[in-house]
Amino acid sequence: AQSVTQPDIHITVSEGASLELRCNYSYGATPYLFWYVQSPGQGLQLLLKYFSGDTLVQGIKGFEAEFKRSQSSFNLRKPSVHWSDAAEYFCAVGGGAQKLVFGQGTRLTINP
Amino acid sequence: DVKVTQSSRYLVKRTGEKVFLECVQDMDHENMFWYRQDPGLGLRLIYFSYDVKMKEKGDIPEGYSVSREKKERFSLILESASTNQTSMYLCASSLWQGTVGTEAFFGQGTRLTVV
Repeated sequence: AQSVTQPDIHITVSEGASLELRCNYSYGATPYLFWYVQSPGQGLQLLLKYFSGDTLVQGIKGFEAEFKRSQSSFNLRKPSVHWSDAAEYFCAVGGGAQKLVFGQGTRLTINP
Repeated sequence: DVKVTQSSRYLVKRTGEKVFLECVQDMDHENMFWYRQDPGLGLRLIYFSYDVKMKEKGDIPEGYSVSREKKERFSLILESASTNQTSMYLCASSLWQGTVGTEAFFGQGTRLTVV
């Protein structure tokens, strides 16, 4: 069965610092991978997605993620965070079954 | 833009009540989903539907049912609400593209409190 693990429940970084959020997945075939962001009281917004091709994908708001099949990982990165990036981030995996399986989420706090 | 609209942002219901959560999408998507979100547990799939009148159980269907009579509308029903169903409920839709899934688009969520 497919599953997603986000090892970090809560991360705090300083504004302007770099960011990496970890995501490990388990899936029997070629995975389709997603990162979503949720601001307080809001629904989820898609940051980026990987279906095939280039393993480094660019998303909105300056985020990128790299698919590493050998490590079953799809980590999210941003070179310099802004206070507005404070939110909860979810990694998800999906495939031919059409449904997405989500990780537990990582809450990001930004220090001024 | 795709729009997924949930009928209520906040609901307070009493134990034992029958509760209906409504979701409408405007992009002719085949797939619709209901997730439940709880702190530390992420999003867990309750039910999903890939066509009108079709439904499949997700990971936590107990205590819930769904209805999809029209393509654009997907309803979640709590037959007899209990306090352990207090949660944030998120509806989503996605486009069927053969065997390749696409991203899901989410509504704003309904925060349900059962007292």
